[in-house]
Amino acid sequence: LAKTTQPISMDSYEGQEVNITCSHNNIATNDYITWYQQFPSQGPRFIIQGYKTKVTNEVASLFIPADRKSSTLSLPRVSLSDTAVYYCLVGGSSGGYNKLIFGAGTRLAVHP
Amino acid sequence: SQTIHQWPATLVQPVGSPLSLECTVEGTSNPNLYWYRQAAGRGLQLLFYSVGIGQISSEVPQNLSASRPQDRQFILSSKKLLLSDSGFYLCAWSPTSGRFGGTDTQYFGPGTRLTVL
Repeated sequence: LAKTTQPISMDSYEGQEVNITCSHNNIATNDYITWYQQFPSQGPRFIIQGYKTKVTNEVASLFIPADRKSSTLSLPRVSLSDTAVYYCLVGGSSGGYNKLIFGAGTRLAVHP
Repeated sequence: SQTIHQWPATLVQPVGSPLSLECTVEGTSNPNLYWYRQAAGRGLQLLFYSVGIGQISSEVPQNLSASRPQDRQFILSSKKLLLSDSGFYLCAWSPTSGRFGGTDTQYFGPGTRLTVL
């Protein structure tokens, strides 16, 4: 399974755009890239998933270059409520279930 | 809509005591089910997963066990708790994956905070 590397922490201010980059040099052909958000004492929540190029939803955008060895989660105009831990995961279905490896994540702190 | 429940929300247990955490899913059938543990300030560690009733796979050796007596019920147990079992336990479900590659979204429950003293 591909290992991911992301910054331990980031700081931002309300209204700014935040970009969190994740490295996954050993990504396999069938692997997808998924980002989750976790607030303290809650379970992670799915944000976005992509395979290549760009994916956008109402919450975020995900940019994946052609070599797929990295990806960038973009959060437009963050607010205080976006303060959370963000996890980048790489994986695919295996044996009838999807195995996800959660790293330590990136702790994003949004300041007033 | 689908919902996932876990109980209890918090639990304080002495070392050597038994453990039983329950997870139930509503609004879906034949889900894949997962148990994770999260130590303070760390990422999630997958403990068990299940693709069907009575089908349990373990990811890491430990003194914990899991069972799936019903389609939408997943139970995490221990006969004797250790101090190292303290943590935040999360249950998750995902749709049965029917496609090659890709990952179906996992939906997490509210979690159980376990403290072993």
